[in-house]
Amino acid sequence: EVQLVESGGGLVQPGGSLRLSCAASGFTFSSYSMNWVRQAPGKGLEWVSYISSSSSTIYYADSVKGRFTISRDNAKNSLYLQMNSLRDEDTAVYYCARCGYSYGGAYWYFDLWGRGTLVTVSS
Amino acid sequence: DIQMTQSPSSLSASVGDRVTITCRASQGISSYLAWYQQKPGKVPKLLIYAASTLQSGVPSRFSGSRSGTDFTLTISSLQPEDVATYYCQKYNSAPLTFGGGTKVEIK
Repeated sequence: EVQLVESGGGLVQPGGSLRLSCAASGFTFSSYSMNWVRQAPGKGLEWVSYISSSSSTIYYADSVKGRFTISRDNAKNSLYLQMNSLRDEDTAVYYCARCGYSYGGAYWYFDLWGRGTLVTVSS
Repeated sequence: DIQMTQSPSSLSASVGDRVTITCRASQGISSYLAWYQQKPGKVPKLLIYAASTLQSGVPSRFSGSRSGTDFTLTISSLQPEDVATYYCQKYNSAPLTFGGGTKVEIK
């Protein structure tokens, strides 16, 4: 079955750190660019970060730049998000999302999503 | 950065009605626009990419179109299972911005 499964969420104090993981299965993970997308409680979707299939290209939203680090291990079919200096406003469900592939090329829309992992930043 | 403005933020319509949701980009993004459906308590689902290409398995009552920097998602005949929040997303370049969402309810 083609799927993404996130883990690593939990309760953390402001200023703390957390590392999220996303395990991919059922497809050739190393061929796809990946993303993290988050959704604060009762709010809309916010793209967080992108990493290309070879890790050669990485982008971050301004809201997390300098605090979050995206990475991947293609040998382990896994995507990661290291989150440091966490703030109250980082509280959200974090989704792992795969970039789509169409017309013979890779595009940055999201065709496969995990179920998400909840990160709560609170003292 | 390019902003994506979605309207309306919510709507209520009857079963069988034609429903239209609009997303406006603050600058040109060609046809690099996707639409997602998120049902209550569920994970977002890709409906349309490249402004008008229906993702495999999505019912044909959903369609998308583009006019310049204005994009439209249309549900030709609203069904009870279409109750959800709909988001547009631009993907021509980073940041990969989402619109604010449109909540669709049944009247």
